[in-house]
Amino acid sequence: SYVLTQPPSVSVAPGQTARITCGGNNIGSKSVHWYQQKPGQAPVLVVYDDSDRPSGIPERFSGSNSGNTATLTISRVEAGDEADYYCQVWDSSSDHNYVFGTGTKVTVL
Amino acid sequence: QVQLVESGGGVVQPGGSLRLSCAASGFTFSSYGMHWVRQAPGKGLEWVAFIRYDGSNKYYADSVKGRFTISRDNSKNTLYLQMNSLRAEDTAVYYCAKRPSVFEYFDYWGQGTLVTVSS
Repeated sequence: SYVLTQPPSVSVAPGQTARITCGGNNIGSKSVHWYQQKPGQAPVLVVYDDSDRPSGIPERFSGSNSGNTATLTISRVEAGDEADYYCQVWDSSSDHNYVFGTGTKVTVL
Repeated sequence: QVQLVESGGGVVQPGGSLRLSCAASGFTFSSYGMHWVRQAPGKGLEWVAFIRYDGSNKYYADSVKGRFTISRDNSKNTLYLQMNSLRAEDTAVYYCAKRPSVFEYFDYWGQGTLVTVSS
């Protein structure tokens, strides 16, 4: 089955840029989606189809995808961005399999 | 606005059964596919099951295939998950999530309901 690997944690100072990677075999050929999950809350979609933002998501959140790595970038990080972030793809090689990454805890210093 | 409200969670013994519900509002429920996704305590997200907008096709993760059944009642705007032969490893918060048209991601999520399988 398809595996998505994320770093367990990323630390960033307020105002700086956080980059969260999501590694997978030839992930550049797939559409990657990103979710933010704050403690005790449901996930929220922050980026879909590699780099598009749902309405209401700040422009500070952006995404890219190429080769074996997709990246979620959070610019001008704020304290409210502290959360777990998960990448996700649809694995078309198996029967309707939705795969999530291992998750990354973003800590704002 | 889109609202998804899960209910039906609780404590159940291993081997037991439970039925979860997800009440939908704020969109035309009968036009969209729906998912169940779960999250074990302190762990990551795991997709569980998907049902097409009209209930014609259903898909399951290997970990629940043969034990769980997803269904929907479009007249009641409600999604269900029947869980049988429950195991300790099924302990998790269960979220219902909406599929956006024909795309393969989750655009809205409910707040989740906790299922604990323990003797």
